[in-house]
Amino acid sequence: NAGVTQTPKFRVLKTGQSMTLLCAQDMNHEYMYWYRQDPGMGLRLIHYSVGEGTTAKGEVPDGYNVSRLKKQNFLLGLESAAPSQTSVYFCASLDPGRSQETQYFGPGTRLLVL
Amino acid sequence: KQEVTQIPAALSVPEGENLVLNCSFTDSAIYNLQWFRQDPGKGLTSLLLIQSSQREQTSGRLNASLDKSSGRSTLYIAASQPGDSATYLCAVNDYKLSFGAGTTVTVRA
Repeated sequence: NAGVTQTPKFRVLKTGQSMTLLCAQDMNHEYMYWYRQDPGMGLRLIHYSVGEGTTAKGEVPDGYNVSRLKKQNFLLGLESAAPSQTSVYFCASLDPGRSQETQYFGPGTRLLVL
Repeated sequence: KQEVTQIPAALSVPEGENLVLNCSFTDSAIYNLQWFRQDPGKGLTSLLLIQSSQREQTSGRLNASLDKSSGRSTLYIAASQPGDSATYLCAVNDYKLSFGAGTTVTVRA
């Protein structure tokens, strides 16, 4: 079991460029999440998905799009990157049917937008 | 909208002292509450999860309590060690985690 993996680990973008962050989980979890973490702050929810083909907005969705075409993958897209999107991005997954109901986190992707 | 607050923002103690980290939340309709540890530049490590029906959870030197009615949780770390230096995050779960900003702990040798 690899758990939750994120690709890439680090990326530098210029303002206006686009990119896609990939999150993959091999635990057959229904729910998946994208968070961002900025210095001195906790994690904030960007978007989430409660199943294949579904997505929903979180606390800070502006400037991001997501897709969940396959159950194991959750993609986060930046269509036109801005310096304000410089952050560390974490993906997580959850199996709501299990009693512990804990979210499993990926290692994070560091994004720098110049 | 769930608001999660952690006090203090930073804490520095000598080795051996007990640590008390506080977390408060505004909406008591939660499934569970989790405490995480985060080392600088690293990901999140889950420490303890307390179900909404539980009052406390223990793991080794760590003990976390939950009082849903008052919207509070406390993480106790006994006999602190330099290796306990990290940022500790509290998160409340209604299938979407709402995080506090964290408490950064420094344990001095």
